[in-house]
Amino acid sequence: SQKIEQNSEALNIQEGKTATLTCNYTNYSPAYLQWYRQDPGRGPVFLLLIRENEKEKRKERLKVTFDTTLKQSLFHITASQPADSATYLCASADRGSTLGRLYFGRGTQLTVWP
Amino acid sequence: DADVTQTPRNRITKTGKRIMLECSQTKGHDRMYWYRQDPGLGLRLIYYSFDVKDINKGEISDGYSVSRQAQAKFSLSLESAIPNQTALYFCATSDTGGAGGWYNEQFFGPGTRLTVL
Repeated sequence: SQKIEQNSEALNIQEGKTATLTCNYTNYSPAYLQWYRQDPGRGPVFLLLIRENEKEKRKERLKVTFDTTLKQSLFHITASQPADSATYLCASADRGSTLGRLYFGRGTQLTVWP
Repeated sequence: DADVTQTPRNRITKTGKRIMLECSQTKGHDRMYWYRQDPGLGLRLIYYSFDVKDINKGEISDGYSVSRQAQAKFSLSLESAIPNQTALYFCATSDTGGAGGWYNEQFFGPGTRLTVL
């Protein structure tokens, strides 16, 4: 069955450093990957999407990469700030699956300390 | 005003009771989804609807039912609630058109925290 995994449940880094979160997938070939941010008690909020034919996507301090050989996406936050502390979710859909249906990873809780 | 709203925001009920969670959206999206989120398990899809006449089961539909009353409204019912249905429930929407096509992101409501005693 399709599987999308975020191996780290938690990541703690110091303010100003780059946070790198990992998302791995198995048993399918995503046409794209999405990343969401979720704050405690709130719904996830979309951040970035990267398609299978894109190696890298950037948005302000955020960068996402997609490596179809490693079956992995990396999500980077540069110059991290305490306000970046949240849970980050990756999500994807198999190109052969029902369009628009996403499978979510369990999330990585990021804490940025001053 | 929020684009995706959910009512109630919190609910405590007893085993065996019937519960309805409601979701409304003003984004004009055709696609709507219901997820539940449990600690350590992430978001799991319960039901989804791609238009008013379309209802599909997700990964964990047993014990749940849905109704798509209009493009803007999608309700989730627990016919006879049980304690392991205690969770955070999210409604989400997505568009079918636009430049992103079917890649379009999902927009989530604020969630309903349901406790079944």
